[in-house]
Parts: sequence; C-alpha cells; structure tokens
Amino acid sequence: DAGVTQSPTHLIKTRGQHVTLRCSPISGHKSVSWYQQVLGQGPQFIFQYYEKEERGRGNFPDRFSARQFPNYSSELNVNALLLGDSALYLCASSLVVGTPLHFGNGTRLTVT
Amino acid sequence: ILNVEQSPQSLHVQEGDSTNFTCSFPSSNFYALHWYRWETAKSPEALFVMTLNGDEKKKGRISATLNTKEGYSYLYIKGSQPEDSATYLCALFLGDYKLSFGAGTTVTVRA
Repeated sequence: DAGVTQSPTHLIKTRGQHVTLRCSPISGHKSVSWYQQVLGQGPQFIFQYYEKEERGRGNFPDRFSARQFPNYSSELNVNALLLGDSALYLCASSLVVGTPLHFGNGTRLTVT
Repeated sequence: ILNVEQSPQSLHVQEGDSTNFTCSFPSSNFYALHWYRWETAKSPEALFVMTLNGDEKKKGRISATLNTKEGYSYLYIKGSQPEDSATYLCALFLGDYKLSFGAGTTVTVRA
C-alpha cells in the first residue's frame, strides 16, 4: 500500500501570495491532520479532519484553512503568506483519531 | 498550551553503546503518549503508543517505559547502531483530536 503522499515537495513563494498544499492519506484512513514544523521545534498542530469535517484547529490565524474531499484527500491553504510561514508542512493520516499517525514526507515552503 | 519537554536536545553515542533520553509532560488528564522516529530525508515513523502507567514497549533494540503519575517516559536504545541516528519525538494525546509534540532528541551514532 502507498504511504501518505504530499505535493509539492518544495515550494518557494513571495510574501502576500497564496499557497495550496495537497495530501493523499493511506487507503482506508479517514482522519487527516496537518502539522507545521519549524527548525528546532516539534510539529505544531494546524488542523484535523475526520470524515470530511473539521474536528480540530490549532492556534493558527484565519489565513490558514483546509478541507477534506470525499476520497479523504486534503488540501491546506495559506493566504497572504508571511516570512514566518516558512516551514515544513506535514500531513498525517490515521485510521481513527488517537491511533498512530502515518506521516508524509512533507512540503518545504519557503516564503521570500 | 501543553508543555511536552524532551531532554537532552541532542546526544552523541558511540556505536555499540546504549543510551536513553526523557520525555516529560503534565501528568494530569493523561490519555496516551506516542513516540516517533524521524530520520533525515524521511517522514516521522511511529514507534510506540503507550497508555498505561508502567507500560513497557519494545521494538528490536529500542524500548520505552511510561510513568503517568510523575509525568515522564524514557526511551532506551541498546547497542546503538548508525541506523539509529534520528530525531526521536514524543507526543501527548489528551483524547481530543491532536498530538502535542516535544521538540525532539536528536541522536547521532558515531561509527
């Protein structure tokens, strides 16, 4: 079975632009979570979706939004990019909430 | 904000030596503790999910213990090998929808 796939792997954007990151979970996994990881810190929770509904949101501004599609894939959108949004964005899927997360390789976003 | 702390931040181990490091967390409202291994250029990989006080888990040369009353978990690597070089993350699950991660312990095994 394919693991969690994320696209693109790397992305360079300019301040003020918008970005969309994509994630395909492991087949059969209905829960998808997004995490932001900056150097020297652990991954910080952004969103969790289960059965296409937002079940949790971390302490991120409204510029961050996400959605989950009927096939359980997910998108993370960030508007009005700031330099501080530069980070590795990790997507993770799991069978149900609370079970071990299966992570993708992440999308490295650089905002200049 | 849930404070999950890991120490040390990094450590260097000689090949063949054993090592251990700590994850500390608030002991109240405990539900589960996750350990992940994150190798360079790869994705984080789940090692253990621990739920009960006194839990001990083992996977090959890696093992972990859990003390929920005092709020800590130890991860042990026995006979370290170069392939054990990675960042080890612990994360607390409080039964809601997210994991609260520590900053990790980066282990470098010297051949």
